[in-house]
Parts: sequence; structure tokens; C-alpha cells
Amino acid sequence: QLQLMESGGGLVKPGGSLRLSCAASGFGFSGEYMTWIRQAPGRGLEWVSYISGGGFTTYYGDSVVGRFTVSRDNAKNSLYLEMNNLRAEDTAIYYCVRVASDYVGFDSWGQGTLVTVSS
Amino acid sequence: SALTQPRSVSGSLGQSVTISCTGTSSDVGAYNYVSWYQQHPDKAPKVIIFDVYKRPSGVPDRFSGSKSGNRASLTISGLQAADEADYYCCSYAGGDTWDVVFGGGTKVTVL
Repeated sequence: QLQLMESGGGLVKPGGSLRLSCAASGFGFSGEYMTWIRQAPGRGLEWVSYISGGGFTTYYGDSVVGRFTVSRDNAKNSLYLEMNNLRAEDTAIYYCVRVASDYVGFDSWGQGTLVTVSS
Repeated sequence: SALTQPRSVSGSLGQSVTISCTGTSSDVGAYNYVSWYQQHPDKAPKVIIFDVYKRPSGVPDRFSGSKSGNRASLTISGLQAADEADYYCCSYAGGDTWDVVFGGGTKVTVL
């Protein structure tokens, strides 16, 4: 059964850093493109980052480029998001999400991990 | 910029509701890559429509999608209590890169 499980969220001060992890199971992780999508409290969805199956191609949303870095370890079936210079507006639930292989969209979502940026 | 959705729509049990999703010629109007997601409170989103009108297996045919120009729509027919949720549209906007844009979300209330 496919599973995506995020961890690493928590409370961090503005300007601080945090590393999110996502453990994947139940599918061929190394062959799948993955993304991080976030949702601020009571707000809509925002795409954050994208990484190809081999990890060699990455893209970022305008609001996080230069501050966030996505990576993966296919040997460990894991996805990561390194977040630096965090701002209050980065406060959100961060979802680990699989990009569908046969259409442009997202077919599997984790339950999310909450990141709170506050002094 | 985010796609534009109404903040809320409502309908009675058994009725139909339609949610609009307005973008631009760079996203909705440029690609047939519109998807829709249903999100119940405190749950992760779930895809219900992809490629404008296609349904993943297991999604009832009460959910249907369409597109005209820069505007996409999701129609829910035969409203059920379980359909009360937030709905988000999403469109590819990549061009030379990989980029997607979401709508702000629509709360569907079943009366």
C-alpha cells in the first residue's frame, strides 16, 4: 500500500532553518517525480518544489527560490526539503506529494507536517 | 498568480453545483492540464479530476470537469452530504520549466 509520511515540522524562529523528511513506501520511489506542496492555516494550496526521479532536475515556486532546497535519497526511499531563512509567511502544513506518472497532477499525498515560524 | 475560484457555493441534497476556476492564457487557456482536488477538514487533498475532465478510478461519475478558454469548471451532480468539502483547481503553467498554479479554493456546503 502506497504511503508517504512526513516528519521534521515544528516551531522555528524567523531566520531559522528546518529540514523536512518524507518516507515513501509501497511504490517504486526512484522512478517517480515528487513535490512539496504547502497550505497555510485556513488558506489554499501552494506548490513549493519539484524534483525528478533521479534528483538531477529541480524547480521551485517563486516564494521559496533561493531559500529552500529539495533533495532525495532513492536508496532510502526518502524525500527532503531543506528550508533556510524562514519567514512568518512560510508557516504552513507541508505535504509530500507524488506527481502522477500519466498526467500533470498529484495522485498521492502524505498527511502533512506543520511548520510554524514565530518568535 | 493564483487561479480564481468563488469562495463558497452551496446546494441542497440531490442538486447540482458548479465551481468555476478562472486563469489566463498562460495556464488554464494554454494547456489541457487542469486537475481538481477535494479536501475534507483536517485531511490531505485527493484528486478527483485530471486532464480537465478525466476521473481517477473510484471517483463517482457525479463529478465532472470541463474547460472553455481560460475558465475551467467542476460540476457535482446529485449532491451528497459527503461532498461537503473544499475544492481546489490546479493548472499546469510551466512553459520552459515545471510550474503549476492552484486556485484559492471553494467551500461546498450541502444544505
